[in-house]
Parts: sequence; structure tokens; C-alpha cells
Amino acid sequence: EAQVTQNPRYLITVTGKKLTVTCSQNMNHEYMSWYRQDPGLGLRQIYYSMNVEVTDKGDVPEGYKVSRKEKRNFPLILESPSPNQTSLYFCASSFRQGNTGELFFGEGSRLTVL
Amino acid sequence: AQSVAQPEDQVNVAEGNPLTVKCTYSVSGNPYLFWYVQYPNRGLQFLLKYITGDNLVKGSYGFEAEFNKSQTSFHLKKPSALVSDSALYFCAVRDGGVTGGGNKLTFGTGTQLKVEL
Repeated sequence: EAQVTQNPRYLITVTGKKLTVTCSQNMNHEYMSWYRQDPGLGLRQIYYSMNVEVTDKGDVPEGYKVSRKEKRNFPLILESPSPNQTSLYFCASSFRQGNTGELFFGEGSRLTVL
Repeated sequence: AQSVAQPEDQVNVAEGNPLTVKCTYSVSGNPYLFWYVQYPNRGLQFLLKYITGDNLVKGSYGFEAEFNKSQTSFHLKKPSALVSDSALYFCAVRDGGVTGGGNKLTFGTGTQLKVEL
């Protein structure tokens, strides 16, 4: 089954404790992206990757890091989480397809930073 | 910069009645427009898209959307609502004239659709 898999789905952590949210897709998509969803703000892009070893900042990259060492994986790293990073995070992927293709989303990872 | 506005935080409709969820957009070039739906505790699912061609596009679950260039709108519609349509709906836009920068979509803030018996 074609899917985007995120882990963990739920996480409660404390300020400053490094964490990684993993994302993996099995559709051979070139493009992957991370979004955060906050009430009243919709989805905002954190980072994206056009292909292996190619990453770039989205609209809200502060406090996050990413890497793309393999085509299927795109982990999101919070080196020193803070309470304002409490949010619902989504990983998404797609073929490049001249920008006309739709995104496929993971189920989301709800992060709480105390 | 591109943007999307969904003016209604919530839309209530009775089952069997037609529904409309509104969306307006702003882009510099040709708009690529999308609707996604989010059910509770789930990721977003693609519903339909407008890239070019017929202004009325049909999508999943009986939904359709009408592209109106002069009004810069892309409203989502369904002739007869079901209780199971209750969900959070997001409109999104991409500038078709922009190369590079990935497949970035700019999303609206979402509209909660509630369909009641």
C-alpha cells in the first residue's frame, strides 16, 4: 500500500531534550516536505527536499533541522525543543511532475513540549 | 507572495442539502488550486485540483469545485451533503509560473464542515 509513515504519532517531551520525528514514503517520490498545523494558522511549511541531499527552508524553519540521505526518508530534528514547537506535524511527499501533482500526507505527529 | 483565504471557520449544513466551502486565492502567475480534506486524527487527503481547462472540476466523494478567474475563487461544492462529509477542509494554491522552490503549496486556515441530520 502506498503510504507516508510518520513516527512517533504522539510525543510529550520537555524543553531542551533533542528529538527526531521520522518520515518514510514507499512511492519513490522525489519531493518531501514537513508542515506544522496550528489552530487558526492552517498548515505552514517548515522544510522541504527536492531530492536526495537537496533540502531548503520553508516558511517557518527556525528551531528545526532536516536531512535527506535516502530518497524514502526525511526526518525532522528538533535539537532543543521549546514550548512554542508544540504542534501537529505532517510529512508529505509527491512526484515533481512539473508542480501539478498532489501531495500525499502522513497521519501526523502530535508533539507537546513542556 | 501567494496566499489563500477561507473566510468561514465553520460551515453548518443539513444532510441532503447542497454545501459550499469558500476559497479565494492570490498568486502572481497561473494558479494551481487544490482541495484537501482532513478527518479527525488523520492526515490530509487530496480531493481535487484545477490546473488548466474546464473551470468545473470533479473530485472524490462527489465533490466538485468551480474555478473563477475574475473573482480569484475556487469554491468547493457538493449537491447533497452527507453526515460523513463532516471534516476539516483546506484550500491550497501553488504558483504555476514559478520554477524551482519545490512543490510548495500555500494552504488556507481551513473550514470545519459540520453536516447534521
